[in-house]
Amino acid sequence: DVKVTQSSRYLVKRTGEKVFLECVQDMDHENMFWYRQDPGLGLRLIYFSYDVKMKEKGDIPEGYSVSREKKERFSLILESASTNQTSMYLCASRQGQGNGQPQHFGDGTRLSIL
Amino acid sequence: KNQVEQSPQSLIILEGKNCTLQCNYTVSPFSNLRWYKQDTGRGPVSLTIMTFSENTKSNGRYTATLDADTKQSSLHITASQLSDSASYICVVIPKAAGNKLTFGGGTRVLVKP
Repeated sequence: DVKVTQSSRYLVKRTGEKVFLECVQDMDHENMFWYRQDPGLGLRLIYFSYDVKMKEKGDIPEGYSVSREKKERFSLILESASTNQTSMYLCASRQGQGNGQPQHFGDGTRLSIL
Repeated sequence: KNQVEQSPQSLIILEGKNCTLQCNYTVSPFSNLRWYKQDTGRGPVSLTIMTFSENTKSNGRYTATLDADTKQSSLHITASQLSDSASYICVVIPKAAGNKLTFGGGTRVLVKP
């Protein structure tokens, strides 16, 4: 079974702090994703990566950056946290380039910015 | 803009009863449509996947249908169990989108004993 592990289940940070969310997958998947999930809005894609050191912006990249130095690890960085970034953050990974493979999700990090 | 709308937003049913969740989409063309189940405090897990040419797909007590003409999909849960309490998310994968999926807002189902 694919395992996607997010380093923290709950995180509380202060406005202006630099925040790191970490995600690790154990199935050698090429593609990794960061989403945020807000009530009524569905999952929205922040950034994704299709290879080491490669990244592409999703639908809502503003205020975020990412890092993929190793294939199994994909980090989301909030450069200067703001209260509107309080949300559930979900990491996912997917094998291959085709659309037939499912994305496998971690259990999420609930981030609160005070 | 591609959209996926789900209804109802929430649903309460008694254990053992059936229910049907709806998904309307405007994404076109699309390569496939998935239903995910998300338990509280967990990440979404894929339940079914259908290509645009498929009409129905089952996974145990879950049956998904697709009408590509009307751009509607439904997820039917048969003989509901307490463990079916979760959010169900419809996801449409546009044909040219590669890694960009379009997610519905989800339907929260609560099964009561």
